[in-house]
Amino acid sequence: RKEVEQDPGPFNVPEGATVAFNCTYSNSASQSFFWYRQDCRKEPKLLMSVYSSGNEDGRFTAQLNRASQYISLLIRDSKLSDSATYLCAVILSPANDYKLSFGAGTTVTVRA
Amino acid sequence: DAGVIQSPRHEVTEMGQEVTLRCKPISGHDYLFWYRQTMMRGLELLIYFNNNVPIDDSGMPEDRFSAKMPNASFSTLKIQPSEPRDSAVYFCASSPRTSWNEQFFGPGTRLTVL
Repeated sequence: RKEVEQDPGPFNVPEGATVAFNCTYSNSASQSFFWYRQDCRKEPKLLMSVYSSGNEDGRFTAQLNRASQYISLLIRDSKLSDSATYLCAVILSPANDYKLSFGAGTTVTVRA
Repeated sequence: DAGVIQSPRHEVTEMGQEVTLRCKPISGHDYLFWYRQTMMRGLELLIYFNNNVPIDDSGMPEDRFSAKMPNASFSTLKIQPSEPRDSAVYFCASSPRTSWNEQFFGPGTRLTVL
């Protein structure tokens, strides 16, 4: 089993739709979680951190479910510009400070 | 502000040649990371430095790979000899000590080994 797993998609959604996807992690001791966005042939960029209580940034909502060991990202009112690959990143154990383990990414395509 | 700078942006070389990738982190950042991204394996951490000191190189695939950080503003990743399976995009990233969890990535070097 991979340490961090994501549904690769692609998720093809119309503009204005809501899309959500998850990322599972293997180590229950993991403490820090993040979502990165990567555009085609570009570098990853931090989208948002994921806090225990869940957090929202505009149209983006991130949630953490420790019991089931997954994080989620929800995008409301999708825009064409949201088309990208979304990578989840996890610090798998407290002993692995600073080492991010990335999922393979979930591809989202928003169509007009 | 300049972001992380990597060079070259593209590199095409033949099997057996030495390849050197370069990275200039964001000024003032204490951490520097080297990643490799392929379709098959995704984004993998190769090595990271803290204040120019290598902390964890467990992700370096084999002895053909080496990385150095001679000062706070420069790092290299060297592959010698290169093999076709080394073809990938190599990213350098840096982060400050105060918000180490946000890593700023450079544009990457797209390496093709023929």
